[in-house]
Amino acid sequence: EAGVVQSPRYKIIEKKQPVAFWCNPISGHNTLYWYLQNLGQGPELLIRYENEEAVDDSQLPKDRFSAERLKGVDSTLKIQPAELGDSAVYLCASSLGLAGGRETQYFGPGTRLLVL
Amino acid sequence: AQSVTQLGSHVSVSEGALVLLRCNYSSSVPPYLFWYVQYPNQGLQLLLKYTSAATLVKGINGFEAEFKKSETSFHLTKPSAHMSDAAEYFCAVNSGNTPLVFGKGTRLSVIA
Repeated sequence: EAGVVQSPRYKIIEKKQPVAFWCNPISGHNTLYWYLQNLGQGPELLIRYENEEAVDDSQLPKDRFSAERLKGVDSTLKIQPAELGDSAVYLCASSLGLAGGRETQYFGPGTRLLVL
Repeated sequence: AQSVTQLGSHVSVSEGALVLLRCNYSSSVPPYLFWYVQYPNQGLQLLLKYTSAATLVKGINGFEAEFKKSETSFHLTKPSAHMSDAAEYFCAVNSGNTPLVFGKGTRLSVIA
């Protein structure tokens, strides 16, 4: 069974440019998460989807970040415009969406973003 | 609010020695607790989790952790370290529908 797929794996852009990350969760997983992982830190939740509905986006900086999961399957996270401080790893994870907080989240390999 | 504290950002052990990675949590309700491992340039992989059943939890690759409510701890152990155990380890907590909160991680080095 395929795991969580993310692309691109690496992205280098200049500040003020837009950037987008794509995630395809494990087949059948209703819940999808986007996390931000800064160097030397643990992941921090940006947004959580239950099917196509964003149920927790309280930590998403909405002035420059946006996300969508139109058909309840794959998802895109966008930054426009990017700032130097956005350099980090962006992780996508998915889970079945049936067992609440006890569920295992399965992580993709992440997209490493460098903003110059 | 929930939080996790991982004592020691870097732990170094000899191959074959005991591995002990410390995790203390704060939660106002009974928690679910997780240990994840992250190898370089990879995503996080679940090692084990506590979901209010047995307090001693066994995971993959010979790791185990014990939930101690009185100490608010969930330390990760492995009797004998292997070179392949070198990685970053994250403890995480949540309860109910709250977001998963991660600690800052502990980098484990294994010396031959």
